[in-house]
Amino acid sequence: NAGVTQTPKFRILKIGQSMTLQCTQDMNHNYMYWYRQDPGMGLKLIYYSVGAGITDKGEVPNGYNVSRSTTEDFPLRLELAAPSQTSVYFCATSLISGLGEQFFGPGTRLTVL
Amino acid sequence: AQSVAQPEDQVNVAEGNPLTVKCTYSVSGNPYLFWYVQYPNRGLQFLLKYITGDNLVKGSYGFEAEFNKSQTSFHLKKPSALVSDSALYFCAVRLKKVNYGGSQGNLIFGKGTKLSVKP
Repeated sequence: NAGVTQTPKFRILKIGQSMTLQCTQDMNHNYMYWYRQDPGMGLKLIYYSVGAGITDKGEVPNGYNVSRSTTEDFPLRLELAAPSQTSVYFCATSLISGLGEQFFGPGTRLTVL
Repeated sequence: AQSVAQPEDQVNVAEGNPLTVKCTYSVSGNPYLFWYVQYPNRGLQFLLKYITGDNLVKGSYGFEAEFNKSQTSFHLKKPSALVSDSALYFCAVRLKKVNYGGSQGNLIFGKGTKLSVKP
């Protein structure tokens, strides 16, 4: 079992470029989440999904989009990268929302210059 | 508004001494409480959780946490710290009641506390 995998590990973008952060899980968890982690700020929820075809905004969704066409994959899309999106992005999954632990991927470190 | 506070940015402890990492919360209703640990350049790992029952919860790597409803706290503790415990620790809270499709079920994380254990 690979658990939660994220690609790429690192990426540098120029302002205005777009990219997709990939997240894949093999645990058959229904719930998936995208967080961003900024120094000294903890984790902020960007988007989450309760199952294939169902997504919803978290605390900081502006500038991002998501889709969930399968149970396994939950990509995060940045359409027009801005310096404020420089952060470390984590994908996570859980079997039951809020009752069980969340399992995190290793993260993607994104820099927007 | 729901919130989680970790009042210490950093905690320094000598190896072998007990450690405490503090967490307080503010939510309406009874919360579910979690502790996660993050080692450098890694994702978060679950340590322990409080759902209901005994106020003292035991978790991974010898950690435990005490739920105190009157003080709205959920401090993380370990009787004897190891250098390998040095990491970033996050407290998180979630409401017990879940509305399908709503955001009440999601975790709210504290800002994190850096634990440094010196030999």
